Amino acid sequence: AQSVTQLDSQVPVFEEAPVELRCNYSSSVSVYLFWYVQYPNQGLQLLLKYLSGSTLVESINGFEAEFNKSQTSFHLRKPSVHISDTAEYFCAVSEPGGSYIPTFGRGTSLIVHP
Amino acid sequence: GAGVSQSPSNKVTEKGKDVELRCDPISGHTALYWYRQSLGQGLEFLIYFQGNSAPDKSGLPSDRFSAERTGGSVSTLTIQRTQQEDSAVYLCASSGGGAGNTIYFGEGSWLTVV
Repeated sequence: AQSVTQLDSQVPVFEEAPVELRCNYSSSVSVYLFWYVQYPNQGLQLLLKYLSGSTLVESINGFEAEFNKSQTSFHLRKPSVHISDTAEYFCAVSEPGGSYIPTFGRGTSLIVHP
Repeated sequence: GAGVSQSPSNKVTEKGKDVELRCDPISGHTALYWYRQSLGQGLEFLIYFQGNSAPDKSGLPSDRFSAERTGGSVSTLTIQRTQQEDSAVYLCASSGGGAGNTIYFGEGSWLTVV
């Protein structure tokens, strides 16, 4: 069975500072990994995903995540955050060839202060 | 619009009443998911439909919860004899199927049981 742990429920940070949101997963097989973002009063939307190939994946708004198989992690990073990045971030995992139901973490609330 | 549409966006109901929540997925998407989002609890999987296959109901918390998907499109989640612990945001999502496909979420139906 697959599971996802997001180690921080809330991450406060000042604008223009770097940020890392941590995600660890548990799975007995190979995985697909996702980060979804939920802005206030909106639905979840995909931020980025890892399926195969390069372990470093990037989003269009400056976030990146690196798949680390040995540490079973998929941490999300951004070198300089903006106020508009304030949102809830969810890490998710699914198993290729297995159930198509992704398992989500509990979410990390990123709060960017001016 | 072209996204996942959910209705109602907000519902307040009395304890013991039945409620129906509707989801209109993206046209052509074969997979449809229902999740529940409670404060601080992340996303809890409820039920998954894929094409004409039997739905995966493994996440339904009790027999008061049921869902159907008519004609491979619109889905209705029904909660009978609502309880206060059913208060949450109910999220519907759809995708083209496959573990690596992006899942597109609606904005959710916020249910409050009083």
